[in-house]
Amino acid sequence: AQSVTQPDIHITVSEGASLELRCNYSYGATPYLFWYVQSPGQGLQLLLKYFSGDTLVQGIKGFEAEFKRSQSSFNLRKPSVHWSDAAEYFCAVGSGGGADGLTFGKGTHLIIQP
Amino acid sequence: DTGVSQNPRHKITKRGQNVTFRCDPISEHNRLYWYRQTLGQGPEFLTYFQNEAQLEKSRLLSDRFSAERPKGSFSTLEIQRTEQGDSAMYLCASARGNEQFFGPGTRLTVL
Repeated sequence: AQSVTQPDIHITVSEGASLELRCNYSYGATPYLFWYVQSPGQGLQLLLKYFSGDTLVQGIKGFEAEFKRSQSSFNLRKPSVHWSDAAEYFCAVGSGGGADGLTFGKGTHLIIQP
Repeated sequence: DTGVSQNPRHKITKRGQNVTFRCDPISEHNRLYWYRQTLGQGPEFLTYFQNEAQLEKSRLLSDRFSAERPKGSFSTLEIQRTEQGDSAMYLCASARGNEQFFGPGTRLTVL
């Protein structure tokens, strides 16, 4: 069975500082990996996805993520965070060519301090 | 731009009552998914449809839960004889390719 681990429940970062959110997955075949963001009262919004090819993927809002098969990781990064980035971030893995239901991690709550 | 819509946005019910939620996907999206999200957790997959066919059901979907997508358009999720443990946010997503677009969710509170 596939699974996703987000080791950090909360992360606090100063505005303007860099950010890295960790994600480790367990999946037998080539995974389909996603990062979503959820703001209070908002639906989940896709930040970026990895299916194949270049292991460094660019997403919206200045986010990027790097797929490392040897470490079963798909960490999310941003060089300089803004106060509006405060939200809940979820990593997810999918199968079936990306068509099956996703398995999400428990999320990381990002706090931005002035 | 009409995204995924869900109704109602909030539902408060008493234990033992039946509730039904509706999801309207983005038009022309042939796949539709239901997830459940409890406080402090990530969404958990419940079931999904391709057109009107229900292709996969999670073990989380007990006999009290039923989902339909009668004409391959909107979908309903019904919970019979609700329990306090059913209190959660119920999320719907639709997809055409391999990217799922999520609705705002229906928050269910069972008293």
